[in-house]
Amino acid sequence: DAGVIQSPRHEVTEMGQEVTLRCKPISGHDYLFWYRQTMMRGLELLIYFNNNVPIDDSGMPEDRFSAKMPNASFSTLKIQPSEPRDSAVYFCASSLPPTGSSTEAFFGQGTRLTVV
Amino acid sequence: AQSVAQPEDQVNVAEGNPLTVKCTYSVSGNPYLFWYVQYPNRGLQFLLKYITGDNLVKGSYGFEAEFNKSQTSFHLKKPSALVSDSALYFCAVRDSGGFKTIFGAGTRLFVKA
Repeated sequence: DAGVIQSPRHEVTEMGQEVTLRCKPISGHDYLFWYRQTMMRGLELLIYFNNNVPIDDSGMPEDRFSAKMPNASFSTLKIQPSEPRDSAVYFCASSLPPTGSSTEAFFGQGTRLTVV
Repeated sequence: AQSVAQPEDQVNVAEGNPLTVKCTYSVSGNPYLFWYVQYPNRGLQFLLKYITGDNLVKGSYGFEAEFNKSQTSFHLKKPSALVSDSALYFCAVRDSGGFKTIFGAGTRLFVKA
């Protein structure tokens, strides 16, 4: 398996524009997580899905952020409208169910978002 | 609520010396504990985990970690550091009955030649 695949790797956009980040989890992993990493706040869990259903979105900072998982192999994180303070590295991760022995999360390379 | 603390922002060690990166945690049930490493402009890579069993866990690249239930700690160790070990290290915890993995703030390790 190629691992968790995120696109794009880098995104530069102007304030007010819509931004869509994409993620393809590892095949067979039914948990998918979106994290945001900044210098100030470290690694924050934004939302996670189980079997394509959002389970906990309490980490989503504002209504400007939304995430979807239309099928087992694809998820998106959308910011509309984007603001400069959204600039960060966004990571997608996937895992098997947490009750098993192979329970660690596997991370993608991340999308570095810059909002100017 | 679960939480993780990495008390050191940075750890400096000379190549060939042993290294320790500290981590303490708080969870309501039995913990699942993890260490990840992040190299510049890369995603997080899994190093090792503790779920149950032996308190000393061995992982990738010669790293190991010791689970101490009474001290609620899970310190990362390596007997002999390499310059290539220089990176950002994250400790993470999940309640065995839960589904969210929470990460510490990270500790930057510098290994000097």
